[in-house]
Amino acid sequence: TQLLEQSPQFLSIQEGENLTVYCNSSSVFSSLQWYRQEPGEGPVLLVTVVTGGEVKKLKRLTFQFGDARKDSSLHITAAQPGDTGLYLCAGGGGGSNYKLTFGKGTLLTVNP
Amino acid sequence: DSGVTQTPKHLITATGQRVTLRCSPRSGDLSVYWYQQSLDQGLQFLIQYYNGEERAKGNILERFSAQQFPDLHSELNLSSLELGDSALYFCASSTRGSGAYNEQFFGPGTRLTVL
Repeated sequence: TQLLEQSPQFLSIQEGENLTVYCNSSSVFSSLQWYRQEPGEGPVLLVTVVTGGEVKKLKRLTFQFGDARKDSSLHITAAQPGDTGLYLCAGGGGGSNYKLTFGKGTLLTVNP
Repeated sequence: DSGVTQTPKHLITATGQRVTLRCSPRSGDLSVYWYQQSLDQGLQFLIQYYNGEERAKGNILERFSAQQFPDLHSELNLSSLELGDSALYFCASSTRGSGAYNEQFFGPGTRLTVL
């Protein structure tokens, strides 16, 4: 069974601070997706990474896929209150394996 | 707006009852996925349909069933409801049924409360 562990589970910071959240597994994934979910809403896809060592930037968000494709990190620079939400990582098996395995998420609160 | 629609937004019912949740995928998407999200279990994959056919099953109870119709909308049927079935139910869609870039787009969810 593939499992994704996310840390920290909860994170509360002040506006302007930097932060990194982690997504780790003992399994290899062909792709890793990051989603952000706001209360009562569905997850919204932020990025997909598929190559070991790949780094993608989305404005103030930087996503990295580990060299061995077992882990990933999300770094936010100068966090803003609008970044508040539940950040979920999801691993894909690729090929004929359709299934996404989700971590339980990191709940980020950015205080003004 | 992801383009995936779900109805109803909220559903309150009693134990033992049966409910149907509906999902319309993004235009052009052939795959539909159902997920259950609860506070303690996180987002759990239930079942996937691709172009009308069941593609994969996850942690779906025997009391639950789903189908995808020729117009590609999908319904999730939950029967003999128990208190523990109270959760958010999400539908997601994707263009393809598999592959590394199998990016899924989620609907707004249905909040089910079983009393």
